[in-house]
Amino acid sequence: QQQVKQSPQSLIVQKGGISIINCAYENTAFDYFPWYQQFPGKGPALLIAIRPDVSEKKEGRFTISFNKSAKQFSLHIMDSQPGDSATYFCAASWSGTYKYIFGTGTRLKVLA
Amino acid sequence: DSGVTQTPKHLITATGQRVTLRCSPRSGDLSVYWYQQSLDQGLQFLIQYYNGEERAKGNILERFSAQQFPDLHSELNLSSLELGDSALYFCASSVGGPEKLFFGSGTQLSVL
Repeated sequence: QQQVKQSPQSLIVQKGGISIINCAYENTAFDYFPWYQQFPGKGPALLIAIRPDVSEKKEGRFTISFNKSAKQFSLHIMDSQPGDSATYFCAASWSGTYKYIFGTGTRLKVLA
Repeated sequence: DSGVTQTPKHLITATGQRVTLRCSPRSGDLSVYWYQQSLDQGLQFLIQYYNGEERAKGNILERFSAQQFPDLHSELNLSSLELGDSALYFCASSVGGPEKLFFGSGTQLSVL
């Protein structure tokens, strides 16, 4: 019940295309859903986050879509660039505790 | 630079040994999180401290322990090391609750 399931495990996209990564959760107590970006040799860095009171949040080329009833959320990267090639992690946390659970990661490669 | 400092960057040791990983959070952050990252397991939540007190525990082995000191730095102690403990260990900090996490660059532990 505390898991966050992420798919796909890896993704290859052409430059200029749309990258879509999906996550699903079970615990309805989660109230914060971030996405992190990790480059090789670096720690993950927060990319964008959403709370369950909104269905979509957009920051530049990055958009989170949130479906509360389906308990799913996804990251869309528009106009994907080679510099976006990284590993992306979804995560979930809830303010009632201090736990912060990550998905298994998606390795994105954007071809030039 | 996230402002979170982890030392050492690399650690090579033998099975059965004990090591200590150190983390200095961002200035002003009261929470410290520890994660283990291996290729097939993603980011596994180990333990979290808030202002010196343990607040949440994840999949942390009994051979592992941690603490947060009055100056808010944290140490993760790994004992009776096994080959399977080889991984990248990340520390992250946040101001307080489980919202935006700032990750250090990690400590790569190799158990030979």
